[in-house]
Amino acid sequence: NAGVTQTPKFQVLKTGQSMTLQCAQDMNHNSMYWYRQDPGMGLRLIYYSASEGTTDKGEVPNGYNVSRLNKREFSLRLESAAPSQTSVYFCASSEVLGRVTNEKLFFGSGTQLSVL
Amino acid sequence: AQKITQTQPGMFVQEKEAVTLDCTYDTSDPSYGLFWYKQPSSGEMIFLIYQGSYDQQNATEGRYSLNFQKARKSANLVISASQLGDSAMYFCAMREGRGAQKLVFGQGTRLTINP
Repeated sequence: NAGVTQTPKFQVLKTGQSMTLQCAQDMNHNSMYWYRQDPGMGLRLIYYSASEGTTDKGEVPNGYNVSRLNKREFSLRLESAAPSQTSVYFCASSEVLGRVTNEKLFFGSGTQLSVL
Repeated sequence: AQKITQTQPGMFVQEKEAVTLDCTYDTSDPSYGLFWYKQPSSGEMIFLIYQGSYDQQNATEGRYSLNFQKARKSANLVISASQLGDSAMYFCAMREGRGAQKLVFGQGTRLTINP
């Protein structure tokens, strides 16, 4: 039962470097999300994809881009990393079926990113 | 304005006691959902319980129950008979409207269970 798989688990970047965080889910979910968690805080939504072929900004999208590659995969790209992007990044997925609204998010195990 | 407020940064409880974690929310949308997640020291996010705004009864999941007071906009998590393994961060979250589950999280409460 893989669920939501994120890679890498840890990454250290220098300011200005770029990288892509990968996320894949094997639950056939329509919706996928990227959150960040700063120390001592709750998660904040960066981008989400309600369904394959669509992406939308969340609460804190600046400095990030996303790609919904297919139904399974949703990647997050930092084009020019900044120290303010040091955080733990979580990918999540959920099923949204018409009027059903109680579908919980399934989270990956997180990526600890440090930007020096 | 904060959409989700958790006023207890930390709580300490004796094992086997019940504990209530507070959560208040702010929304003008009549359709919303409230979630509680647990984050142990290992870092993963574990779903605990869900309450919909139109649900007539308080949600329960095993030792977890949600004290939903709609008029007061509160959704407190109650853990009965606490166990050492309940020590973790607990986050309250809200989804407004329908469709994609764009959750807004509170800042969390760190719960420590003492033996």
